[in-house]
Amino acid sequence: QVQLLESGPGLVKPSQTLSLTCTVSGGSISSGSYYWSWIRQPPGKGLEWIGYIYYSGTTYYNPSLRSRLTISRDTSKNQFSLKLTSVTAADTALYFCARASFDVCDFWGQGTLVTVSS
Amino acid sequence: QSALTQSPSVSGSPGQSVTISCTGTSSDFRDSSRVSWYQQSPGTAPKLIIYEVRDRPSGVPDRFSGSKSGNTASLTISGLQAEDEAAYFCSSYARSSSTVVFGGGTTLTVL
Repeated sequence: QVQLLESGPGLVKPSQTLSLTCTVSGGSISSGSYYWSWIRQPPGKGLEWIGYIYYSGTTYYNPSLRSRLTISRDTSKNQFSLKLTSVTAADTALYFCARASFDVCDFWGQGTLVTVSS
Repeated sequence: QSALTQSPSVSGSPGQSVTISCTGTSSDFRDSSRVSWYQQSPGTAPKLIIYEVRDRPSGVPDRFSGSKSGNTASLTISGLQAEDEAAYFCSSYARSSSTVVFGGGTTLTVL
């Protein structure tokens, strides 16, 4: 059973960089043809796909976030990460990591709330 | 604004059936067989309940069924139970932009 766990600061100041890490257990992020994904959900709102990193290392980003976004991985730690620069209050959300078979997310982390505030 | 449109809310009584719709305006969606549905209870992560329009992951009751016609995908929940009260999100793959898109979500209330 694959398990994912998000970690990172819960509070980020405006204009700074939001950094989160997803630690995966029960499966390798560098095999299996999966897309290791980030999705976010502003409080009380719907889901927004952020992007993913394929098992090969190729990345795919939401065009609306591409200029501020980097998704990377550390295969030695079986982790993948999200960096979002120049954050504003609009980036306040519950951030989920998930395993996807292309666009279908079958395993999700519990989510971590990130608040952008001074 | 979501690329996929869902009604904000729907309700039904125990034992009844409800249908949640998801409408896309693009040819990507119209021509796609890649539609998924997720169930999200308050304070929890979304759970996959339907993928590729109508397939159910192992463990999802057959009370949940999916379909699609043209630009509208539908999730039907039959034999409604109190535990079905949750938010439901559709999603699809937008080929033209190589992105995953979600609907705004529909909150199901079991009366």
